[in-house]
Amino acid sequence: TQLLEQSPQFLSIQEGENLTVYCNSSSVFSSLQWYRQEPGEGPVLLVTVVTGGEVKKLKRLTFQFGDARKDSSLHITAAQPGDTGLYLCAGANYGQNFVFGPGTRLSVLP
Amino acid sequence: ETGVTQSPTHLIKTRGQQVTLRCSSQSGHNTVSWYQQALGQGPQFIFQYYREEENGRGNFPPRFSGLQFPNYSSELNVNALELDDSALYLCASSLKLAGVRGADTQYFGPGTRLTVL
Repeated sequence: TQLLEQSPQFLSIQEGENLTVYCNSSSVFSSLQWYRQEPGEGPVLLVTVVTGGEVKKLKRLTFQFGDARKDSSLHITAAQPGDTGLYLCAGANYGQNFVFGPGTRLSVLP
Repeated sequence: ETGVTQSPTHLIKTRGQQVTLRCSSQSGHNTVSWYQQALGQGPQFIFQYYREEENGRGNFPPRFSGLQFPNYSSELNVNALELDDSALYLCASSLKLAGVRGADTQYFGPGTRLTVL
């Protein structure tokens, strides 16, 4: 069974601070996705990474896929209150269905 | 807006009852996946339907069943409801291309919040 762990579980920071959240597994994934979910809504896809060592930037968000394709990180620069939400990572293995981590709940205070 | 819609938005049932949840996939998509998200947890995969056939199932008992229709919309049915079935039920639609290996990009609906009393 493939499992994903995410850390920290909860994070509360002030507007303007930087932060990094982590997604780890003992399993190898062919691709990994990051989502943000707001209360009462479904997860919204932020990025898909498929190559070990890959780094993708989306405005203030930087995503990295580990060289061994077992872990990933999401770094947010100068966090804003609009970044508040549940950040989920999800891994898949060659056409199999996605396995989600438990999420990191981020709160950015103004 | 992902173009994926779910109904109803909220639902309250009592233990032992049956429930049907509905999902309309994004236009052009042929695959629907269902997930259960308990409070404070990540989504757990229930099953996936591709071209009206079940195409993978997670660790859920047989009382969780589904259907996909020719227009690729889908239903999730849960019989003999238990208290632990209380959760947000999410559907996600995607386009699976024959012969293409790799995970699909999924687009999630807003979910149905089920409460079992």
